Amino acid sequence: GQNIDQPTEMTATEGAIVQINCTYQTSGFNGLFWYQQHAGEAPTFLSYNVLDGLEEKGRFSSFLSRSKGYSYLLLKELQMKDSASYLCAVRDGARNFNKFYFGSGTKLNVKP
Amino acid sequence: EAGVVQSPRYKIIEKKQPVAFWCNPISGHNTLYWYRQNLGQGPELLIRYENEEAVDDSQLPKDRFSAERLKGVDSTLKIQPAELGDSAVYLCASTPGPGGTSGRTEQFFGPGTRLTVL
Repeated sequence: GQNIDQPTEMTATEGAIVQINCTYQTSGFNGLFWYQQHAGEAPTFLSYNVLDGLEEKGRFSSFLSRSKGYSYLLLKELQMKDSASYLCAVRDGARNFNKFYFGSGTKLNVKP
Repeated sequence: EAGVVQSPRYKIIEKKQPVAFWCNPISGHNTLYWYRQNLGQGPELLIRYENEEAVDDSQLPKDRFSAERLKGVDSTLKIQPAELGDSAVYLCASTPGPGGTSGRTEQFFGPGTRLTVL
């Protein structure tokens, strides 16, 4: 089966840095996605990794290690508006290229 | 460019009643997904369409749920009859599909329909 694990909840302070981890075990792999979801809203795309290494995008960075089945999302210079759930999603391999598996999400609380 | 459109945004029904949700994906997106999201959980796939073909409906409770995408564009998800446990947010998403030129090919989500079954 498919298994994607993330911490349930994290708390960090405004201006700080936070790292949200995701580990996965899936039958196929063709990319890992991070989405942000504010309460009562739809998930929105944040980042994508398909090769090992770090992808940087402004205050957000995402890292992938395929051999370890591990990714993290790094948020720098935290702002109050970053309080949201962060979803890790894995896209399946060739035969199910457009199938995505989601973790349960990590609720991030940013405090002043 | 218009995003994924869903309606209604909210629906409250009594158990055993039928309910239907509608989704219009982004123009040109061949792949359409219906997900169910319970509070504090990630989206769970119910059904995935490639054009008008349902290519993955293994998670769809077929005794009460049905879906269609007749012309390969918009889609309807129906529950009949609804049960208390069906209360959730139903999300529709789309991607360009296998023919997309971007390897990234992230999903674009609609605002969802929040269903409450009493």
